[in-house]
Amino acid sequence: DAKTTQPPSMDCAEGRAANLPCNHSTISGNEYVYWYRQIHSQGPQYIIHGLKNNETNEMASLIITEDRKSSTLILPHATLRDTAVYYCIVRVVQAAGNKLTFGGGTRVLVKP
Amino acid sequence: GAVVSQHPSWVICKSGTSVKIECRSLDFQATTMFWYRQFPKQSLMLMATSNEGSKATYEQGVEKDKFLINHASLTLSTLTVTSAHPEDSSFYICSARDPSWGQGAEYEQYFGPGTRLTVT
Repeated sequence: DAKTTQPPSMDCAEGRAANLPCNHSTISGNEYVYWYRQIHSQGPQYIIHGLKNNETNEMASLIITEDRKSSTLILPHATLRDTAVYYCIVRVVQAAGNKLTFGGGTRVLVKP
Repeated sequence: GAVVSQHPSWVICKSGTSVKIECRSLDFQATTMFWYRQFPKQSLMLMATSNEGSKATYEQGVEKDKFLINHASLTLSTLTVTSAHPEDSSFYICSARDPSWGQGAEYEQYFGPGTRLTVT
């Protein structure tokens, strides 16, 4: 499994963009980058995923470097409700059913 | 998005008893469900993969006789913690794969809200 490295924590100001980095230097060519977040005492929530191209949806943008060894999740206008642990995951495709392996994640605290 | 529910949301039981946790996909059929465990301030750890109509696949180090998984229908998987002990106290989370969401590696997993188990 390709491993990911994320900073353990970061603070950001409400209303500002939050840029969350993730390193995945051993990623394989057919592995996707997924981002999930977990608000305290809740199940994880899917945010976005990508393979090579940058992606954007109503929640966030995902920027993947050309060599695919790192990516950045961008929350364009952070709100207090975005306070959560954010997980960057590289997807392993297996016959057993596409497991998701969670690392330590980044604990994001959005401050007013 | 698709909804996955868990029941109960929290449970307190005495040491030595068994506890059953249900995971349901409410608006899609899930041939595969996953069970995770999360201790305080730690990340999610995959316990097992539950496949409808067949035996679950357990991760290394997870006791299959202690954590019984049944996936009898396309919308329901159950996790039974047998002879629970205080060290089994944890947050148990299930997820379900929606096969209609995409192709191959893009399959998305939807997570339940979790069940907090406290064994006294």
